[in-house]
Amino acid sequence: DAGITQSPRHKVTETGTPVTLRCHQTENHRYMYWYRQDPGHGLRLIHYSYGVKDTDKGEVSDGYSVSRSKTEDFLLTLESATSSQTSVYFCAISERWTGLNTEAFFGQGTRLTVV
Amino acid sequence: GQQLNQSPQSMFIQEGEDVSMNCTSSSIFNTWLWYKQDPGEGPVLLIALYKAGELTSNGRLTAQFGITRKDSFLNISASIPSDVGIYFCAGPPNTGNQFYFGTGTSLTVIP
Repeated sequence: DAGITQSPRHKVTETGTPVTLRCHQTENHRYMYWYRQDPGHGLRLIHYSYGVKDTDKGEVSDGYSVSRSKTEDFLLTLESATSSQTSVYFCAISERWTGLNTEAFFGQGTRLTVV
Repeated sequence: GQQLNQSPQSMFIQEGEDVSMNCTSSSIFNTWLWYKQDPGEGPVLLIALYKAGELTSNGRLTAQFGITRKDSFLNISASIPSDVGIYFCAGPPNTGNQFYFGTGTSLTVIP
């Protein structure tokens, strides 16, 4: 299994509070991604990183920010949590996005509930 | 954004039957990936395809990279109860550096 650890695995928070989710990898992969998974929507990209301090928005980035200060860590922050951000969040990593070995590996997910 | 249409959305089959599902995109893909997700877990990579027309097997699973590069197929032969789960297609399109995912096929195997 790819070395990806997400923390926390479960969290309940109140509306309006900031929340930070952490993804830690031991594979030294360049690319890291945050997805959310909701019934009927599959996996949707929130933000991704293509290197230290290099990040870009995905299709559902509103209300989220990310930071990557080290290769191994990618943080997802909900600035002010809302009930619509209740979801399961997955971190993924990949060595590259084109050519051979273009494969994304996933963490076990963080289940976030905003009440 | 990129659309990956996966079908069927769900399948209920008898143990021992073969399963087929497919995925189509609106753009050309360089790589097609197939994942399986068990309840409460993250998606796990099953098969990766890198070349148009490529046919790759992993045990009872066989996947194909469509000639047009806009589709891919996954077959499971002689299904067993542990095949239950959600199967996703995914890949990075020809342009951009993101992975896009299909909405999944939910497979139920009836013993």
